[in-house]
Amino acid sequence: DVQLVESGGGLVKPGGSLRLSCAASGLTFNNAWMNWVRQVPGKGLEWVGRIKSKTDGGTTDYTAPVKGRFTISRDDSKNTLYLQMNSLKIEDTAVYYCTTEFSSGSDYGWFDPWGQGTLVTVSS
Amino acid sequence: EIVLTQSPGTLSLSPGERATLSCRASQNVWGRYLAWYQQKPGQAPRLLIYGASSRATGIPDRFSGSGSGTDFTLTISRLEPEDFAVYYCQQYGSSPGTFGQGTRLEIK
Repeated sequence: DVQLVESGGGLVKPGGSLRLSCAASGLTFNNAWMNWVRQVPGKGLEWVGRIKSKTDGGTTDYTAPVKGRFTISRDDSKNTLYLQMNSLKIEDTAVYYCTTEFSSGSDYGWFDPWGQGTLVTVSS
Repeated sequence: EIVLTQSPGTLSLSPGERATLSCRASQNVWGRYLAWYQQKPGQAPRLLIYGASSRATGIPDRFSGSGSGTDFTLTISRLEPEDFAVYYCQQYGSSPGTFGQGTRLEIK
């Protein structure tokens, strides 16, 4: 079974930084396209960004509100995905999920499975 | 960006009844690239349907998806107690991928 386990969440002040990790097992991680999706508690889901596999270019893309502040990276030797979050804002407060992307014919895909999430709280 | 609008916001039904959830897109969803997820309190979302109508592995056949273009539907043929949850649609045919705001399915 595929398992994704996020860590690194916590309380940070506005303008601060935090790095989230997602440890993956049960899949060929170096072939996986990995994403971060966030959810404000009690609200809906928002795609944050993704990183393709290195064999597919290893490129990243992001939703507009986090471009220039967040960076997704991966360490295939450790089967781990990262989300470096800088210049954090109060509106970045959310549960952050990592998830694997699958596609069939499109450049984007559906997400399965999801980790359990890690809560990031940005507050003074 | 494609905006997905789900309706109704809340659906109150009893176990054994049929549930019909709607997801309407602001523009054509190319290729029927639409997925449905179920989320229970305190849990991560779970994939139910991809490609508008393909069930994910392990999903019971009481869940079915249909639609194309701008109108999509998730149908649960006979509600089981464990089906009461929040359901989200997601389009992945255009960048950025976007989610609907969710439909809460509650026990009547």
